Amino acid sequence: AQSVTQPDIHITVSEGASLELRCNYSYGATPYLFWYVQSPGQGLQLLLKYFSGDTLVQGIKGFEAEFKRSQSSFNLRKPSVHWSDAAEYFCAVDASGGGADGLTFGKGTHLIIQP
Amino acid sequence: DAEITQSPRHKITETGRQVTLACHQTWNHNNMFWYRQDLGHGLRLIHYSYGVQDTNKGEVSDGYSVSRSNTEDLPLTLESAASSQTSVYFCASRQSLNTEAFFGQGTRLTVV
Repeated sequence: AQSVTQPDIHITVSEGASLELRCNYSYGATPYLFWYVQSPGQGLQLLLKYFSGDTLVQGIKGFEAEFKRSQSSFNLRKPSVHWSDAAEYFCAVDASGGGADGLTFGKGTHLIIQP
Repeated sequence: DAEITQSPRHKITETGRQVTLACHQTWNHNNMFWYRQDLGHGLRLIHYSYGVQDTNKGEVSDGYSVSRSNTEDLPLTLESAASSQTSVYFCASRQSLNTEAFFGQGTRLTVV
C-alpha cells in the first residue's frame, strides 16, 4: 500500500528566510503527488501537483516542489516566507488505479513563522 | 462559482445518538470522499463514492456509513456516535482519478 511520510511535525522559520518541507512517499509506480495547505479553521487548498514531465513544479503563493524519483521525495520549497504562510502543510499521494483510491496524506507539518 | 459545502460547521452530540453530516458540491464531480482529521494522524479516508448508488469503504470506515442518491450530495452518518469519533470531518470531490480534489471547510464534531 502507498504511504506518505512527513518527517517534521513542526518547523519554525524566520520571516524572509527560505523554507523546505520534506515529503517521502512509498509507491510502486510513478505516483501523482500533491501539496495542500490548511490555514486554521479552514479546509485544504491545493498548492501544487506533479503528474508527469518536468520534475520541478511551480505552485501558487510562490511555492515550488521537486520530484526526485531516486529519493522517493517531493519536497516543498519557498525562497522567502511571509507571516501569512503560517499553516499546516500536507503532502499527498494518489495511487488510484493501483488498488487504492482517494488521496493518502502525510500527517502534516505545522509551519510557524517568527517575526 | 462551483463549490463544496459542509453542514453543520460545528456539532455536539451525545454518545449513542445517530448523527448525519451533510456534504454538497456544485462541481458536478462524480467522485466524492469523506476524511477525518485527527492530531498526529493527518487525514484518513472514511468512505468514498465514484457516482450515484456507488459507495466504498476507506481506511477507517467502522461506525460510519454513506449513501449517494444524486451527484451533488454524499451525507456521512454515524450510526451510534462514540467519543472516539470526536474529530474534524472533511468532504472532498474531484472530477476524475488523479486530478485535484476540492475540500469543504470541515465539520467539527464533538461526541460527549
